[in-house]
Amino acid sequence: GQNIDQPTEMTATEGAIVQINCTYQTSGFNGLFWYQQHAGEAPTFLSYNVLDGLEEKGRFSSFLSRSKGYSYLLLKELQMKDSASYLCAVRPGAGNMLTFGGGTRLMVKP
Amino acid sequence: ETGVTQTPRHLVMGMTNKKSLKCEQHLGHNAMYWYKQSAKKPLELMFVYNFKEQTENNSVPSRFSPECPNSSHLFLHLHTLQPEDSALYLCASSQPGLAGQETQYFGPGTRLLVL
Repeated sequence: GQNIDQPTEMTATEGAIVQINCTYQTSGFNGLFWYQQHAGEAPTFLSYNVLDGLEEKGRFSSFLSRSKGYSYLLLKELQMKDSASYLCAVRPGAGNMLTFGGGTRLMVKP
Repeated sequence: ETGVTQTPRHLVMGMTNKKSLKCEQHLGHNAMYWYKQSAKKPLELMFVYNFKEQTENNSVPSRFSPECPNSSHLFLHLHTLQPEDSALYLCASSQPGLAGQETQYFGPGTRLLVL
């Protein structure tokens, strides 16, 4: 089976840095995605990792360790608009199917 | 705006009703997906279509019936639903066959309430 774990909720302060972790146990691995979903809106693509290491995109970075089955999303200089759910998803095989974690709801406070 | 639209955005239906959800993508993609998102549960993949052919049915009850008439449109026909089917139904599309990253782009979803 496929198992993807994320914390359910996190709280952080505006201007700070927050790290959202994701651990996975899947039948295979062919890439990991992070999505952002504001309440009542579509999930939007943030980042993709398939090789070990850090991918940086502005204030957002994503890290992958395939040997540990572990990824994190790092958000710097937090803004109020970053309050949202962050979804970790793994593509287990060569096809286009994704398996999603339950999402981490991030609340940014002033 | 992701290039994937869904209608209606909200739907209330009785258990004996028949309704359809519509999804349209303007991205030129050839793969389309239906997902169910329930409160406090992960996104659940329901159906996958690649080049208009259904390639995945994730053990979805027959009261949900998908239809993909062309690569840009996807429907989900609903009949005799149960209250536990109340959820956010999300459509997504992607372009298969790209080397490496194949990103799925999501529509805003249809919030369904079954009474």
